[in-house]
Amino acid sequence: SYVLTQPPSVSVAPGQTARITCGGNNIGSKSVHWYQQKPGQAPVLVVYDDSDRPSGIPERFSGSNSGNTATLTISRVEAGDEADYYCQVWDSSSDHPRVFGGGTKLTVL
Amino acid sequence: EVQLVESGGGLVKPGGSLRLSCAASGFTFSSYSMNWVRQAPGKGLEWVSSISSSSSYIYYADSVKGRFTISRDNAKNSLYLQMNSLRAEDTAVYYCARGEQVDTAFDYWGQGTLVTVSS
Repeated sequence: SYVLTQPPSVSVAPGQTARITCGGNNIGSKSVHWYQQKPGQAPVLVVYDDSDRPSGIPERFSGSNSGNTATLTISRVEAGDEADYYCQVWDSSSDHPRVFGGGTKLTVL
Repeated sequence: EVQLVESGGGLVKPGGSLRLSCAASGFTFSSYSMNWVRQAPGKGLEWVSSISSSSSYIYYADSVKGRFTISRDNAKNSLYLQMNSLRAEDTAVYYCARGEQVDTAFDYWGQGTLVTVSS
C-alpha cells in the first residue's frame, strides 16, 4: 500500500517560515491535502489539491507538490499555528485508497 | 452551517459490537461522500472507511475490512459505522468527515466519539 512519510517534528521561531514535507513515491502525480489538528480538537483542512486554500484559511498557508515530495509552507508563523499537521492522498491503484501521513508536530519556539 | 455530530461511542469488551452514527445538517447530505477516520490515544489519524453519495462505492482500510461496515441513510441525513469483533487496537476517537467526492479532501469534520475496547 502507498506510504506517506512526514518528519515527526518541525520547530520554528515566530515570524519565520515553516516547511513541512510529505514524501511518497511519485506523489507529484497525486492530489495532496493537508490538515491541521490542535490538541483536543478535530482536524481542519488547511490546503487541498496540492495548493488550494479553503475559505477562512489565511494566505500564510500554502502548498506545493512535485516529484516525490509535497510541502506545506506556513509563512510568518504565529503561536496559534502550533499543532499537528497531516498530509493525505487518494491512491487510486489501491483497494484501500485513502492514506494519511504519520503527522508532524509543529512547535513555535 | 455544516454540522456533523457523532454518537454511539462507549466502552465495549473485546469481541463485542458497537454502532456509530453521524448526524449531518446544514448541507445536502445526499450529494456528498462521507468518511470515517479514527485516532488512537496519542497517535496519528487513520482512515477507516469511505462511502460515496449514493453508496455505490465503498472502501475500507485493511485493518477493519471484514469487521466494520459503513452505510448511510440519505433520507435521515445519517452515516453509520457498524463495528463487530472489536479489538483493543480499535480503541480510538472516531470522526466522521465530509468529502465532495469519494476521492477528494475532507472539508468538514465532526468532533468525534470515543470508542474504548477493554475487558
